[in-house]
Amino acid sequence: GQQLNQSPQSMFIQEGEDVSMNCTSSSIFNTWLWYKQDPGEGPVLLIALYKAGELTSNGRLTAQFGITRKDSFLNISASIPSDVGIYFCAGQRNSGGSNYKLTFGKGTLLTVNP
Amino acid sequence: DGGITQSPKYLFRKEGQNVTLSCEQNLNHDAMYWYRQDPGQGLRLIYYSQIVNDFQKGDIAEGYSVSREKKESFPLTVTSAQKNPTAFYLCASNRGLSDTQYFGPGTRLTVL
Repeated sequence: GQQLNQSPQSMFIQEGEDVSMNCTSSSIFNTWLWYKQDPGEGPVLLIALYKAGELTSNGRLTAQFGITRKDSFLNISASIPSDVGIYFCAGQRNSGGSNYKLTFGKGTLLTVNP
Repeated sequence: DGGITQSPKYLFRKEGQNVTLSCEQNLNHDAMYWYRQDPGQGLRLIYYSQIVNDFQKGDIAEGYSVSREKKESFPLTVTSAQKNPTAFYLCASNRGLSDTQYFGPGTRLTVL
């Protein structure tokens, strides 16, 4: 199945720095989702975006649904050690039939040095 | 508390044996999913179910089987036909196919 292009693959930053990661696709999505996964755990939903151009915040996290509907980015401000983990983007088409499936990026591994 | 539970957390099996992974949800969600995750990879869909007694193949269904006899439960069997079964398996559910999916804690299967 198709996968999204998520970048960067990994990031090593100092505590307090801001972080930005993004996902791009050759196909249009109706919904963009951002999940965080801690080691050995299931992904946890951070932010859901439902409308092109939408900018949504959740605490120190901000995500945007690209105008073209083919991309999305996630920003984390003032990073802290507990931000460590793998961040996944996922796109979903809601046009009915079999076009419900989530398409996942390969993830961005974030390491925060205290 | 409402949520998705998967058991066991870690599972070890000998090559050639079938093994069944459990997934239970008390969220009253109609749809349930099974994903496979390999190191450095995104999640890949194995099977999904929209409603009780109905399920559909995902992108990598070969070597797997499922059942959906109850709304709350969606067990996955990894058969001996699966050529590379060692992986992290994640179950998810949502109210309907177009709604946000929520994930369980996962089961790490190691086939020796």
